[in-house]
Amino acid sequence: EVQLVESGGGLVKPGGSLRLSCAASGFMFSSFSMNWVRQAPGKGLEWVSSISSTTTYIYYADSVKGRFTISRDNAKNSLYLQMNSLRAEDTAVYYCARDDPNVGYGFDIWGLGTMVTVSS
Amino acid sequence: QSVLTQPPSVSGAPGQRVTISCTGSSSDIGAGYDVHWYQHLPGTAPKLLIYGNNNRPSGVPNRFSGSRSGTSASLAITGLQAEDEADYYCQSYDSSLSGSVFGGGTKLTVL
Repeated sequence: EVQLVESGGGLVKPGGSLRLSCAASGFMFSSFSMNWVRQAPGKGLEWVSSISSTTTYIYYADSVKGRFTISRDNAKNSLYLQMNSLRAEDTAVYYCARDDPNVGYGFDIWGLGTMVTVSS
Repeated sequence: QSVLTQPPSVSGAPGQRVTISCTGSSSDIGAGYDVHWYQHLPGTAPKLLIYGNNNRPSGVPNRFSGSRSGTSASLAITGLQAEDEADYYCQSYDSSLSGSVFGGGTKLTVL
């Protein structure tokens, strides 16, 4: 079964750090670009970051640039998001999503998300 | 504020047709980048509903269709069913941001 499972969320104080992980299974992870997308409480979806299959291309939303770092380990079929200098406005459910050229680079596989709460 | 603009809510009775608009700019939809649509129910993973402006992934009913023109796109749902009640998001790519952009989302209520 094609699947993405996020982990690593939790409660962290403002200014703190957290590392999210996304475990992929059921497909050739190393062949696909991957993304992090978040949804703040009561808000819509917001793209956070993307990384190409071989890590050649990495992009960030302006809202997280300089604070978040996306990475991947193709040998472990895993995607990561290192989040530093966290702010209250980073509170959200964080989803990892696969980017598939076969569907016009739409995000065809998503995980269930992991909740990050930034609060003192 | 989202880069792509969607109406906050739409509603329709069972069996009716509704449309959801998605308005962008010359750096995203207007630049020719594809538009994708997602259906999202609370507590679940978003689901790709329409890709590449007007294509349905396997398993998506043909009651759902998409279109794109100029700097805008639309999602149409015909024969509304109670199970269609969800949040719907459009997505495209923005060359000035070098990244994906989403609409603010539209809550569909089936009356």
